[in-house]
Amino acid sequence: EDQVTQSPEALRLQEGESSSLNCSYTVSGLRGLFWYRQDPGKGPEFLFTLYSAGEEKEKERLKATLTKKESFLHITAPKPEDSATYLCAGAGGTSYGKLTFGQGTILTVHP
Amino acid sequence: DAGVIQSPRHEVTEMGQEVTLRCKPISGHDYLFWYRQTMMRGLELLIYFNNNVPIDDSGMPEDRFSAKMPNASFSTLKIQPSEPRDSAVYFCASSLMRGGSYEQYFGPGTRLTVT
Repeated sequence: EDQVTQSPEALRLQEGESSSLNCSYTVSGLRGLFWYRQDPGKGPEFLFTLYSAGEEKEKERLKATLTKKESFLHITAPKPEDSATYLCAGAGGTSYGKLTFGQGTILTVHP
Repeated sequence: DAGVIQSPRHEVTEMGQEVTLRCKPISGHDYLFWYRQTMMRGLELLIYFNNNVPIDDSGMPEDRFSAKMPNASFSTLKIQPSEPRDSAVYFCASSLMRGGSYEQYFGPGTRLTVT
């Protein structure tokens, strides 16, 4: 059974304090590793897709990386507006549509 | 594009009543997904469709749950009869899985409360 585990469960940062979120996965035949951002009361918002080990993608203060066992979401000099829950999901095997989500990391950035 | 549209945004009902949740996917997308999110279990895939055909319904918890997609622009998730443990946020998502791009785009969700 595919599994995705995120750590830490919650992370509190000061504005400007860089850090990383971890996503460990056991997904058979990984087709893609996805990162989403979810604000309270809203649906998950797509951030990145990573397809192979060694791949990196960046968007503003966020950079996602992928190894054969885990993915990291690096947040550089975060701002309060980066506060949200960050979700990681894997798609494996022959089913591109079947995403297995982690429980998420709740990020709070204090001014 | 308006994005994925879901209705209603909030639904409060009594145990035993029928509940119907609605979804309009992004125009042109060929995959549609129904998810349920709770604090305990996180985000779980219930069922998904490709070109209006159900592909995998293994996540549907019980026979009380059913989903249909009569055309490319509309889908429903029905719970009959509803129970308090069905209380959750239900999300619909859609995707265009071509050209190596598989990301799913989520709607705002329907918060269901069953009393």
